[in-house]
Amino acid sequence: EAQVTQNPRYLITVTGKKLTVTCSQNMNHEYMSWYRQDPGLGLRQIYYSMNVEVTDKGDVPEGYKVSRKEKRNFPLILESPSPNQTSLYFCASGSVGETQYFGPGTRLLVL
Amino acid sequence: EDQVTQSPEALRLQEGESSSLNCSYTVSGLRGLFWYRQDPGKGPEFLFTLYSAGEEKEKERLKATLTKKESFLHITAPKPEDSATYLCAVQYTGRRALTFGSGTRLQVQP
Repeated sequence: EAQVTQNPRYLITVTGKKLTVTCSQNMNHEYMSWYRQDPGLGLRQIYYSMNVEVTDKGDVPEGYKVSRKEKRNFPLILESPSPNQTSLYFCASGSVGETQYFGPGTRLLVL
Repeated sequence: EDQVTQSPEALRLQEGESSSLNCSYTVSGLRGLFWYRQDPGKGPEFLFTLYSAGEEKEKERLKATLTKKESFLHITAPKPEDSATYLCAVQYTGRRALTFGSGTRLQVQP
């Protein structure tokens, strides 16, 4: 089954404790992306990757890092999480210029 | 600044009562317009992609249309299972990112 998976689905952590949210897709897509969704602000793009070893900032990259060492994986790293990073995070993948397919989401709470 | 505006914010319909959702965007440089459906706590589910003015796409009770400055998602004879938030997103020429609207929350009552 074609899908985008994310782990963990739910995460509670404390300020400053490094964390990684994994994202994997099995559709051989070149393009992968991370979004956060907040009430009243909608979906906003954090980072994206056009292919392996090619990443770039989206609209709200501050406080986040990403890497793309393999085509199928695109982890999101929070080196020192802060409460304002409490949000619902979505990973998406697609062919360049085409439709993006979204994962199920990761709900993060930073205390 | 690229903007995508959806209206109304919320819409309540009776089952079978047809209506339309609107998505307006900055006019210049549209590369593609996407419609998604999102259920609470879940990831957006792809519905349609439109690329040029005059294009239409249909799927069951949904029909998406595109003009030079806006898109409509027409819902014909909706059912309660059509209740969800409908998101519009635009990709502009020269930008890789999708710009999302804030969505229309649709509730269909039996």
